[in-house]
Amino acid sequence: GNSVTQMEGPVTLSEEAFLTINCTYTATGYPSLFWYVQYPGEGLQLLLKATKADDKGSNKGFEATYRKETTSFHLEKGSVQVSDSAVYFCAYRSNDYKLSFGAGTTVTVRA
Amino acid sequence: GAVVSQHPSRVICKSGTSVKIECRSLDFQATTMFWYRQFPKQSLMLMATSNEGSKATYEQGVEKDKFLINHASLTLSTLTVTSAHPEDSSFYICSARQFNEQFFGPGTRLTVL
Repeated sequence: GNSVTQMEGPVTLSEEAFLTINCTYTATGYPSLFWYVQYPGEGLQLLLKATKADDKGSNKGFEATYRKETTSFHLEKGSVQVSDSAVYFCAYRSNDYKLSFGAGTTVTVRA
Repeated sequence: GAVVSQHPSRVICKSGTSVKIECRSLDFQATTMFWYRQFPKQSLMLMATSNEGSKATYEQGVEKDKFLINHASLTLSTLTVTSAHPEDSSFYICSARQFNEQFFGPGTRLTVL
């Protein structure tokens, strides 16, 4: 069946470090792919998305490229800040607009 | 724009009682809303799809008689946890669909004693 697998955390980094969170998916067809972020005490927010192969989503210094050949949508940021500490969820959307989420990766950035 | 609210944010109830959670789209109309459940340190699991004016569609393994969903207007969906038990304690999150995106509420923490 369809599923999303993302890198397990927690991940702890120092400020200005490079962040990568791996995400791979198994799905029929060509789903849209998303990264959501959940800051402490808040609801999920859309961070970025890509709707077709080779699309690159970007926002707040984060990037992810929809790689059909490797069925991946890895999240990257070149220089993280303390304010990036949050839980990050990879997700795909099927044709019926339902979202399926990965397990979430907790990221802690230390000053 | 695209703000979704949930009420209450936290609720504690006794075992056997029913609890209603409201999900509202504040600045847009949503014909479709979704209800999720999130266990500690785990992902969101879709419980059901709520469609305005029609019956909700439940995911496999979700008891429809346990989790009653009503989507009576284009801006409001409610989830009622009936005869709640401690195992129903969880974080319940709703989202509302606008065009091709889902906008999420802040969640409701339910604790059943």
